[in-house]
Amino acid sequence: GAGVSQSPSNKVTEKGKDVELRCDPISGHTALYWYRQSLGQGLEFLIYFQGNSAPDKSGLPSDRFSAERTGGSVSTLTIQRTQQEDSAVYLCASSSPLAGDYEQYFGPGTRLTVT
Amino acid sequence: SQQGEEDPQALSIQEGENATMNCSYKTSINNLQWYRQNSGRGLVHLILIRSNEREKHSGRLRVTLDTSKKSSSLLITASRAADTASYFCATDAHSNYQLIWGAGTKLIIKP
Repeated sequence: GAGVSQSPSNKVTEKGKDVELRCDPISGHTALYWYRQSLGQGLEFLIYFQGNSAPDKSGLPSDRFSAERTGGSVSTLTIQRTQQEDSAVYLCASSSPLAGDYEQYFGPGTRLTVT
Repeated sequence: SQQGEEDPQALSIQEGENATMNCSYKTSINNLQWYRQNSGRGLVHLILIRSNEREKHSGRLRVTLDTSKKSSSLLITASRAADTASYFCATDAHSNYQLIWGAGTKLIIKP
């Protein structure tokens, strides 16, 4: 079946502009995660959605970052007033932990470059 | 601070040799996972080992877990060029659904 998809694959934006990144999780997966990965580094947790529960936003680095998940499926990560330090690859993953499957399935990522 | 820390940070070996990577973590876990990331296939799950398991195999991969030492190792036997990638361990210390990631080991297999 279809995996996790993300769009756009690449985004170049000017400092101060807003950007929206989209994630389509695997159908039926209740959990959705956003991570940020800087070059050569590990994954930095940003936000986690589980079903209809309130999202865990503890990883969001500033109030310029927000995310929503509509209808328990597609998610959008929004970065307002982008800064150069926001440049990174943004990864989305989904999983089905309530079904006992803790493996996270990752999308290809969105490479964000802020100039 | 990071829950999982991989060691070494980078490893370069000849094709056909075995590669061993280690991961240490700080708090109690329910399970530990290993993932691989390369430019071709992105980030992919390799294996999950539960806290009550000591060793697990999958093809050329062998994972061990020592909960008393809070450490895990990933062994790749008979390495191939296609194994060139970064390898990450991830633990579920915060909850069953969130993973805490290490910085990874960069493995290079020389032909």
